[in-house]
Amino acid sequence: KNEVEQSPQNLTAQEGEFITINCSYSVGISALHWLQQHPGGGIVSLFMLSSGKKKHGRLIATINIQEKHSSLHITASHPRDSAVYICAVGMGETSGSRLTFGEGTQLTVNP
Amino acid sequence: GAGVSQSPSNKVTEKGKDVELRCDPISGHTALYWYRQSLGQGLEFLIYFQGNSAPDKSGLPSDRFSAERTGGSVSTLTIQRTQQEDSAVYLCASSVERNQPQHFGDGTRLSIL
Repeated sequence: KNEVEQSPQNLTAQEGEFITINCSYSVGISALHWLQQHPGGGIVSLFMLSSGKKKHGRLIATINIQEKHSSLHITASHPRDSAVYICAVGMGETSGSRLTFGEGTQLTVNP
Repeated sequence: GAGVSQSPSNKVTEKGKDVELRCDPISGHTALYWYRQSLGQGLEFLIYFQGNSAPDKSGLPSDRFSAERTGGSVSTLTIQRTQQEDSAVYLCASSVERNQPQHFGDGTRLSIL
């Protein structure tokens, strides 16, 4: 069992739909990251959070430390949101800031 | 530019050769990370540098892999006696300090023939 599991692996949506991507982890963490990887390969950090909820534009990330679960929501999805979304966890102070990654969720938003 | 810069962007080499991959982090970032993404696979951690502390090398897959960071800035990842399974995209990231958002370079696509 991977330490970080994402669901779904693939997601296809119509433009305008509300999208949720889930991430579960099995170890204690210092922080959880959501990353976006575009078809060209470039990776962008979307959120880093250790509790509660963060919002940036149409993106919302939440985390429940007790349940070891995080969700990434996209409101009013758009074709330009099509990308791979990756959840990653930082394992704590004694392990530095090394990240352990989920397998990613391939999101396709159709016009 | 102000982002993380990696070179070369693509490298094709023959099995058994040594390769060096370079990463220029964002100026002032004390933490630097190397990751690898093999075809169809997720990202995996290789090595982490934080300031002048000893690096965390726990992700390096074999003793053919090594990395250094000179002067707290530029880092070089070296792979000796390359094997076909080393083919992957090697990504570098930096952050202001540990446990802060990481900024990724565009990666070096390494192909071993």
